Amino acid sequence: DAGVIQSPRHEVTEMGQEVTLRCKPISGHNSLFWYRQTMMRGLELLIYFNNNVPIDDSGMPEDRFSAKMPNASFSTLKIQPSEPRDSAVYFCASSLYEQYFGPGTRLTVL
Amino acid sequence: AQSVTQLGSHVSVSEGALVLLRCNYSSSVPPYLFWYVQYPNQGLQLLLKYTSAATLVKGINGFEAEFKKSETSFHLTKPSAHMSDAAEYFCAAPTNFGNEKLTFGTGTRLTIIP
Repeated sequence: DAGVIQSPRHEVTEMGQEVTLRCKPISGHNSLFWYRQTMMRGLELLIYFNNNVPIDDSGMPEDRFSAKMPNASFSTLKIQPSEPRDSAVYFCASSLYEQYFGPGTRLTVL
Repeated sequence: AQSVTQLGSHVSVSEGALVLLRCNYSSSVPPYLFWYVQYPNQGLQLLLKYTSAATLVKGINGFEAEFKKSETSFHLTKPSAHMSDAAEYFCAAPTNFGNEKLTFGTGTRLTIIP
């Protein structure tokens, strides 16, 4: 299996621009998680889906962040407008019984 | 809700020495406990999982962890450290019973001294 796939692996953008991060979960997994990792705050859960339905979005920092899962094989995390404090590594993980993480997207907002 | 404590944000051991990374959970006995490893510029990789079937759990790369209910602990060990073990290690537990959300510890960075 290819594992969890994330794209892009690196993203550099300017403040105010829209950013879209993409995730393809492992086939057959029924839950998908979006995390953010920074030196200051560590690993934070932003949102998770079960069977494509958002279950808990309490970690989404503010309205600038949104996530969708239109089908079982694809999810997006969008930041609009982006700000420098959004700079972080964003991970997607999928799960059937244990969470498996993707390689992450390193986002830099200038 | 569960909390997970990892004692020691940085641990250094000599190559060939015993590795011991500490993890304690806070609430009632969790159904599962996990250790993940993160190598530089990579995602978290599952090392091992406790499921109550056995208190001693063996994982990948020679690591194992022992669940001790009396101590609310799930410490990770490896008898002989290798240079390739240098990484950050995270302990995790379900946030609430029946919930898929995980509560992660703050991580322990393991350095191997040649």
